[in-house]
Amino acid sequence: DADVTQTPRNRITKTGKRIMLECSQTKGHDRMYWYRQDPGLGLRLIYYSFDVKDINKGEISDGYSVSRQAQAKFSLSLESAIPNQTALYFCATSDNRQGAYEQYFGPGTRLTVT
Amino acid sequence: AQKVTQAQTEISVVEKEDVTLDCVYETRDTTYYLFWYKQPPSGELVFLIRRNSFDEQNEISGRYSWNFQKSTSSFNFTITASQVVDSAVYFCALSERGGSEKLVFGKGTKLTVNP
Repeated sequence: DADVTQTPRNRITKTGKRIMLECSQTKGHDRMYWYRQDPGLGLRLIYYSFDVKDINKGEISDGYSVSRQAQAKFSLSLESAIPNQTALYFCATSDNRQGAYEQYFGPGTRLTVT
Repeated sequence: AQKVTQAQTEISVVEKEDVTLDCVYETRDTTYYLFWYKQPPSGELVFLIRRNSFDEQNEISGRYSWNFQKSTSSFNFTITASQVVDSAVYFCALSERGGSEKLVFGKGTKLTVNP
């Protein structure tokens, strides 16, 4: 089974709709992240969380919100989706307690806003 | 502010050729971490390597090798005897402050290995 899972894997929604992307991990990592990937722009950080009570804005948080329901779950919400939020969204985790700072990514969610 | 530049947008080689992917970074921190990730056509992001700022030793893993040079702020990635399965987008990334915060990614280099 995958260590970092994302649901849904693909989603098409309409402008103005609320949508939630979910991320779960079984790696036991304390830190979780949400990124979006756009062609030619690489990955950009939306939000990150160091533990359940810690939420931080990333580079492009406008139009997004997050919830860390448990150590293993981190959800990303688009309150009112707009077409320029069409992108590939990745969740990632890391475990800095072990002195290893690499992030491990989920399979991605492809979101299309029409 | 931290920044990662991958000047090569796309590279195309023929199988068995060696290829080097360039990565130049900017940071004000003395402690930082550099990473390479691979994104094959299937879309997932695969972690390849992490290098600490205080460890300039080059690393080799099979056909992959990495050359870290603080003097030129570069962390280049070489694939020796490339194979079709190496076709992917490769991202270089930087994390400051002991990696406690975000990864900043370059825009990626798309490598195509032709048979």
